[in-house]
Amino acid sequence: NAGVTQTPKFQVLKTGQSMTLQCAQDMNHEYMSWYRQDPGMGLRLIHYSVGAGITDQGEVPNGYNVSRSTTEDFPLRLLSAAPSQTSVYFCASSPTGVRGDTQYFGPGTRLTVL
Amino acid sequence: AQKVTQAQTEISVVEKEDVTLDCVYETRDTTYYLFWYKQPPSGELVFLIRRNSFDEQNEISGRYSWNFQKSTSSFNFTITASQVVDSAVYFCALSEANPTDSWGKLQFGAGTQVVVTP
Repeated sequence: NAGVTQTPKFQVLKTGQSMTLQCAQDMNHEYMSWYRQDPGMGLRLIHYSVGAGITDQGEVPNGYNVSRSTTEDFPLRLLSAAPSQTSVYFCASSPTGVRGDTQYFGPGTRLTVL
Repeated sequence: AQKVTQAQTEISVVEKEDVTLDCVYETRDTTYYLFWYKQPPSGELVFLIRRNSFDEQNEISGRYSWNFQKSTSSFNFTITASQVVDSAVYFCALSEANPTDSWGKLQFGAGTQVVVTP
């Protein structure tokens, strides 16, 4: 199993550009989520999905869109990138998503917005 | 409000010293889960341990040990006889009940950078 994979590893955008961060898992996990990591703040939840076709907002959803058309994939879209979105983005998955389920993380995408 | 506090920003030790990372959490729930993750310099997040609120037994895994104390809302992590490969950022995280759903959203502390020098 590849586990949770993310592409790209690095990305540089200009303010106002849009892009999609890809996330895929091959563990047949129902729950997937996106976090951003900023210095001194740990990881914060952006959006999550409890199954195909079901998504919801986390703590910091503004400026991001998600959709979940398949169990395997959970892309994160930046509609109009802003410098405040410079961060490291992690995708995670867990079998069911219930409280206490262990979440497994992808390798991360480092995004810089100029 | 910060639900998980890791007061130590950085800890520097010399190889073979023990190092203890503090984690203090805040929750009103009786059922919750605590996690530790390791982030080495390569950047990925590696799961280390999960503990539920009903199990206060300390746990040891090789050179790693965890001390969970509900009375002080703490879940501290000790690395015994540290090695250079232990150099990483360590995150403590809390998963608690949500009034509207039971999905496992993790709330992370800010992390503690451990630097082990030879």
